[in-house]
Amino acid sequence: SAVISQKPSRDICQRGTSLTIQCQVDSQVTMMFWYRQQPGQSLTLIATANQGSEATYESGFVIDKFPISRPNLTFSTLTVSNMSPEDSSIYLCSVGTGVVWTEAFFGQGTRLTVV
Amino acid sequence: TQLLEQSPQFLSIQEGENLTVYCNSSSVFSSLQWYRQEPGEGPVLLVTVVTGGEVKKLKRLTFQFGDARKDSSLHITAAQPGDTGLYLCAGHGSGNTGKLIFGQGTTLQVKP
Repeated sequence: SAVISQKPSRDICQRGTSLTIQCQVDSQVTMMFWYRQQPGQSLTLIATANQGSEATYESGFVIDKFPISRPNLTFSTLTVSNMSPEDSSIYLCSVGTGVVWTEAFFGQGTRLTVV
Repeated sequence: TQLLEQSPQFLSIQEGENLTVYCNSSSVFSSLQWYRQEPGEGPVLLVTVVTGGEVKKLKRLTFQFGDARKDSSLHITAAQPGDTGLYLCAGHGSGNTGKLIFGQGTTLQVKP
């Protein structure tokens, strides 16, 4: 299993500013992902955070808007840049463990409100 | 594109009733997972089904994987208020990327 600490748990930000969300795992993991979720709805994958290289973004998400870092196997950050009210959402960090992993572990999420 | 269609999207029932949530796809999945999420928390894995036709039980929850590995169901017997939450089915996408594809989710409300 893996224990994930995600910070901050919530924030209210002004439009046009940026917020960096941190994800710390208690063990080394091979796969780390960032998701976005509207309250009560499903998860949309933003990108796969790759250790030592650029993240792999899903369709509709770009590096300029959501820069991601992953300096090692236990830590990643997601920045939401130049925020607008449409970016208000819950952002979740997720990890997969093992060579052939089947279970995903999630942080508690960051609830972002842009005003 | 692999998609998971989950139904119903919202369910409000009385304590003690039974319910079934469905997760369907036109694609074959090597495995499907069910997660439950409570407000302010991330999703937590309930079960993984791997073999076509497999049935797994977790107390009052019964999970089934379709014979063709394209669909799954979650049945809850005698629902309790503590079962309230968002239920998500998920499967790994093709290409061994490790990415999970999620269904739309089912919000379950169990009233006492």
